[in-house]
Amino acid sequence: GENVEQHPSTLSVQEGDSAVIKCTYSDSASNYFPWYKQELGKGPQLIIDIRSNVGEKKDQRIAVTLNKTAKHFSLHITETQPEDSAVYFCAASPRDDMRFGAGTRLTVKP
Amino acid sequence: GAVVSQHPSRVICKSGTSVKIECRSLDFQATTMFWYRQFPKQSLMLMATSNEGSKATYEQGVEKDKFLINHASLTLSTLTVTSAHPEDSSFYICSALRTPYEQYFGPGTRLTVT
Repeated sequence: GENVEQHPSTLSVQEGDSAVIKCTYSDSASNYFPWYKQELGKGPQLIIDIRSNVGEKKDQRIAVTLNKTAKHFSLHITETQPEDSAVYFCAASPRDDMRFGAGTRLTVKP
Repeated sequence: GAVVSQHPSRVICKSGTSVKIECRSLDFQATTMFWYRQFPKQSLMLMATSNEGSKATYEQGVEKDKFLINHASLTLSTLTVTSAHPEDSSFYICSALRTPYEQYFGPGTRLTVT
């Protein structure tokens, strides 16, 4: 089955700096790669996703890149703000089931 | 769009009793819904896949007789934790599949078994 690894587990940045979170996956059949943001005590919120036929996608301060050959994808957050502080999960989906990374706790210091 | 609700948000029950958690897709129909369990500071663990009108598919190690899932309509799935014990205390989250790939999550239910 699919195995997703996510790094780093914790990330602390200064407000205004960029943050990068990286994930690798094992199943070459995976073709959908979402990123979720989870705040304390809440459910995960889909923030951006990318499909296998696209190498990069951007939405305002958030971007995701995908390298299918190397089986890795990354989340980039620019101009970080304190409200970006949360746990971020990557996921990979070969079909309608989805496997999640272990999560990255991002702290943005004002 | 793509809003999923869960009820209740928090529940405390006594050991040995059963608890039902509802998951609803509010603005779309979902043939497939998923139930996850999340321990503190850990990732989401898939418990089961719920398909409307058919039996749920459980992940390995998840007791189907303990975690009863019913997906009675295209907007509602329920998870019943039967004969709950303290070790069942956890954060339970559902999600609904809006397209073949996109999952939207509910806000979660915090279950505490005393």
